[in-house]
Amino acid sequence: SAVISQKPSRDICQRGTSLTIQCQVDSQVTMMFWYRQQPGQSLTLIATANQGSEATYESGFVIDKFPISRPNLTFSTLTVSNLSPEDSSIYLCSVGWDKNTGELFFGEGSRLTVL
Amino acid sequence: GQQVMQIPQYQHVQEGEDFTTYCNSSTTLSNIQWYKQRPGGHPVFLIQLVKSGEVKKQKRLTFQFGEAKKNSSLHITATQTTDVGTYFCAGRENDYKLSFGAGTTVTVRA
Repeated sequence: SAVISQKPSRDICQRGTSLTIQCQVDSQVTMMFWYRQQPGQSLTLIATANQGSEATYESGFVIDKFPISRPNLTFSTLTVSNLSPEDSSIYLCSVGWDKNTGELFFGEGSRLTVL
Repeated sequence: GQQVMQIPQYQHVQEGEDFTTYCNSSTTLSNIQWYKQRPGGHPVFLIQLVKSGEVKKQKRLTFQFGEAKKNSSLHITATQTTDVGTYFCAGRENDYKLSFGAGTTVTVRA
């Protein structure tokens, strides 16, 4: 299993500013992902954080808006830039996966509110 | 791209009753997973199904993977208040990415 520490757990930001979310894992992991969960909605994959290279973004998500860093196999950051109220969501870091069960592990999430 | 549809969106259940949530993919899946998210919590893994026609049980929960590997279901018997939450299916096609269904939010009346 993997224990994931995600910070901040919640924040309230003004529009036009940026928020950086940190994800720390207690062991080295190959695959690390960032998801967005809008209020009452499902999970949407933003990008795969690749160690030592640029993140791989899903359709509809771009690096300028969601820059991602992954300096090593235990840590990643997601920045949400130029915030607007539409960015109000829960952002979840996840890592995978258990070799036996296929389980994807999730952090507790970072709840962002943009005013 | 791959789409995973899940119904119903909401399920309001009398305690002690059974219910089922269904998941359908537009493409054939290599495997499908189920997660539970309690209110205010993060998704927690329940199970992964890999084989065509596979059925797995966890106490009162029964998971099925269709013969064509394009659909799945979760059936809960004798619902309890601890079953409250949102249940997501998540399908994996050929690559490493999971596509999550919309989720079924379950509420229980005592």
